[in-house]
Amino acid sequence: NAGVMQNPRHLVRRRGQEARLRCSPMKGHSHVYWYRQLPEEGLKFMVYLQKENIIDESGMPKERFSAEFPKEGPSILRIQQVVRGDSAAYFCASSPPGQSLAVSGELFFGEGSRLTVL
Amino acid sequence: GEDVEQSLFLSVREGDSSVINCTYTDSSSTYLYWYKQEPGAGLQLLTYIFSNMDMKQDQRLTVLLNKKDKHLSLRIADTQTGDSAIYFCAERRDSNYQLIWGAGTKLIIKP
Repeated sequence: NAGVMQNPRHLVRRRGQEARLRCSPMKGHSHVYWYRQLPEEGLKFMVYLQKENIIDESGMPKERFSAEFPKEGPSILRIQQVVRGDSAAYFCASSPPGQSLAVSGELFFGEGSRLTVL
Repeated sequence: GEDVEQSLFLSVREGDSSVINCTYTDSSSTYLYWYKQEPGAGLQLLTYIFSNMDMKQDQRLTVLLNKKDKHLSLRIADTQTGDSAIYFCAERRDSNYQLIWGAGTKLIIKP
């Protein structure tokens, strides 16, 4: 009964390279959320996706960042031409279908991917 | 400033009660949550309270909500070393699936 799986757990990139972060939601979940966490800050919403659809990307930077959640396979958060300011922990969360943050609003989080840009 | 505010650190002795406080700004918040993040791990929902409630108790956890002052607290009775973690307060606003998060309070347990 796997939970939300994120990989890689740690990723080091040089400035200008691309970072790809993957998230497999909990089994049966069809809603995926990506959050960014900077040191000593709370989570900042980035994007909310359902299968093959971006529902809300209001938290995504306009450039260099993109996300997808294909019909098959994990959700991918892609950061092109990374800069030092992209260094952060990126968390993926999922929730069951038919209830985007339902009554309880419970999100199930992965362990995060920690990106370090040199 | 942050919409949801928390102190960054709280230090308590093992066996004492811990009280973690949170203030928020939006009176239309419908649900308020406490999540726990252990080192190197993702966040896990601890408990939540609906905005028309004043208090919710769940074993060692007590959540108090003062809607007038927009103040939320989490009390952990008989704090144990396993309670060491960062505790995040989050609010859900009316008609909005997004959660607004505080910066987290790191709970440090002294022996």
